[in-house]
Amino acid sequence: DAKTTQPPSMDCAEGRAANLPCNHSTISGNEYVYWYRQIHSQGPQYIIHGLKNNETNEMASLIITEDRKSSTLILPHATLRDTAVYYCIVRVPQAGTALIFGKGTTLSVSS
Amino acid sequence: ETGVTQSPTHLIKTRGQQVTLRCSSQSGHNTVSWYQQALGQGPQFIFQYYREEENGRGNFPPRFSGLQFPNYSSELNVNALELDDSALYLCASSPGTPNYGYTFGSGTRLTVV
Repeated sequence: DAKTTQPPSMDCAEGRAANLPCNHSTISGNEYVYWYRQIHSQGPQYIIHGLKNNETNEMASLIITEDRKSSTLILPHATLRDTAVYYCIVRVPQAGTALIFGKGTTLSVSS
Repeated sequence: ETGVTQSPTHLIKTRGQQVTLRCSSQSGHNTVSWYQQALGQGPQFIFQYYREEENGRGNFPPRFSGLQFPNYSSELNVNALELDDSALYLCASSPGTPNYGYTFGSGTRLTVV
């Protein structure tokens, strides 16, 4: 079973920041937080991952609380193409460990 | 670099038949995972292969089986197809290096009638 809880849906206006929350209160010390997204009828796409420090790449920023029990994915300037299902996953980064998906958050970006 | 390629893209089978789905991993990736995604649901982990050995399996019956070949490409076989097997089947590969994400293919849409 997935170890994360996410809201089922969120809306965001184009050009605004999208902040997607994730609860992972039972995360263990060696588990990382990963974010993937899935645009309709495509395979999931890796976005970002982190352990305890905030992370940023060209796609998004990941903010992890100090106690590591929750995190927020931030898309700084959402576009219509960011409309997708976003999955938050916790995983031990060992070779061979699989991704366990929950139901994710459906983000709808509108103009 | 090439990504993950799956074939076929769409497939229709009759209940009770057998099906083989294929996946070519991204170059340099030695780990491949298979997922089943029913409509409106998140992907469900079926199994994973690392250097030709199965090293993880989800809650799927034995009629779901697989292979990984020396070139790290992979097959998913499903016997005795049931209507509930209708889904998008996703393949994902990884170089096996810790912290690295998985690269997914676009999937095979299987319809069982």
